[in-house]
Amino acid sequence: SAVISQKPSRDICQRGTSLTIQCQVDSQVTMMFWYRQQPGQSLTLIATANQGSEATYESGFVIDKFPISRPNLTFSTLTVSNMSPEDSSIYLCSVEAGTGENEQFFGPGTRLTVL
Amino acid sequence: GQSLEQPSEVTAVEGAIVQINCTYQTSGFYGLSWYQQHDGGAPTFLSYNALDGLEETGRFSSFLSRSDSYGYLLLQELQMKDSASYFCAARPGGYQKVTFGTGTKLQVIP
Repeated sequence: SAVISQKPSRDICQRGTSLTIQCQVDSQVTMMFWYRQQPGQSLTLIATANQGSEATYESGFVIDKFPISRPNLTFSTLTVSNMSPEDSSIYLCSVEAGTGENEQFFGPGTRLTVL
Repeated sequence: GQSLEQPSEVTAVEGAIVQINCTYQTSGFYGLSWYQQHDGGAPTFLSYNALDGLEETGRFSSFLSRSDSYGYLLLQELQMKDSASYFCAARPGGYQKVTFGTGTKLQVIP
């Protein structure tokens, strides 16, 4: 299993500013995933973060808007840059704990509101 | 591409049985997972089917039919605390990203 913490849990930001979300895992993992979830909607993968290499972004997401750092095997950050109200969402960090059962563990999420 | 379709909402009575369906279209297929998410909470893993058939875990069971590109989650002896959103999820290959279904909001009523 894996226990994941995220900071901040929520924030209200002004448009045009940036917010960095931190994700800490209690064990070393190869891949960390960043998702976005609009209220009442499904989870959309933003990018996959591997330690020691550039993050892999999904269609519709770009590094300039969502830069990601992965300095070690237990930590990652996602920055939401030059925010607009459309970026208001819940951002979730996730890892696979290698149980062999394809189980993903999720952090508690960061609820972002952009005014 | 990948797509997994689920009914958007399901309502069921406490103590009853409910089935949540998931039909998928994927370029490859490695297995089907199910997650539960309470309002304001993080998704939590429920079950995984790599092979056809039924997997049982307590009150929850999950079924997969690869030939029909179809699976379902079966919840028995429903409790009020089962009110949540449920997501199926699939990956096209062992080391490829997971795609989540559209999600089903289950409401359990007395």
